[in-house]
Amino acid sequence: SQTIHQWPATLVQPVGSPLSLECTVEGTSNPNLYWYRQAAGRGLQLLFYSVGIGQISSEVPQNLSASRPQDRQFILSSKKLLLSDSGFYLCAWSSKRISYNSPLHFGNGTRLTVT
Amino acid sequence: KNQVEQSPQSLIILEGKNCTLQCNYTVSPFSNLRWYKQDTGRGPVSLTIMTFSENTKSNGRYTATLDADTKQSSLHITASQLSDSASYICVVSPPSGGYNKLIFGAGTRLAVHP
Repeated sequence: SQTIHQWPATLVQPVGSPLSLECTVEGTSNPNLYWYRQAAGRGLQLLFYSVGIGQISSEVPQNLSASRPQDRQFILSSKKLLLSDSGFYLCAWSSKRISYNSPLHFGNGTRLTVT
Repeated sequence: KNQVEQSPQSLIILEGKNCTLQCNYTVSPFSNLRWYKQDTGRGPVSLTIMTFSENTKSNGRYTATLDADTKQSSLHITASQLSDSASYICVVSPPSGGYNKLIFGAGTRLAVHP
């Protein structure tokens, strides 16, 4: 069965420090991968998605970047964190073909607090 | 602008009671509508999915309904349990585009008290 791992679960970082959040998927190959941010009282906001190694699409201009160095690895990074980067970050994967019975599969998220 | 709005924002019920969560959307046409359950500090998990032609879909004590004419969906929880305490998110898929085009509601936070 497929599983998605995301770490760390929580992270407290000072303003101006770098960030690296990692997500890996097991049990499937060539998935589409996604990074979302979830703010309190708002719907999930898609930050980046990737359809393959080295292929990254950015949905929202921001202080963050994403990379996909391997088929099942997705990394969210920042060179210098801002206070506004605080939030709950979710990684997700989907199959290549949209199908009725194939939802987005989410990791358990990283709670990032920038102080 | 395509939107998904959920109500109420939060809800408290007693264990064993039923409740209904609402989702109104302006996405039209749409491909399918999903309800996700998100436990605190965890990622969302899919509960039900319906296409525009389906009226109802059940998953255990969870029953989702869809009225494409009024652009409304509801999630009914029967005989609530403490483990139902979570946020419930309505997600609509436009017919064009992939998963990167999903439109998420802000969710309803449900608390079930003993």
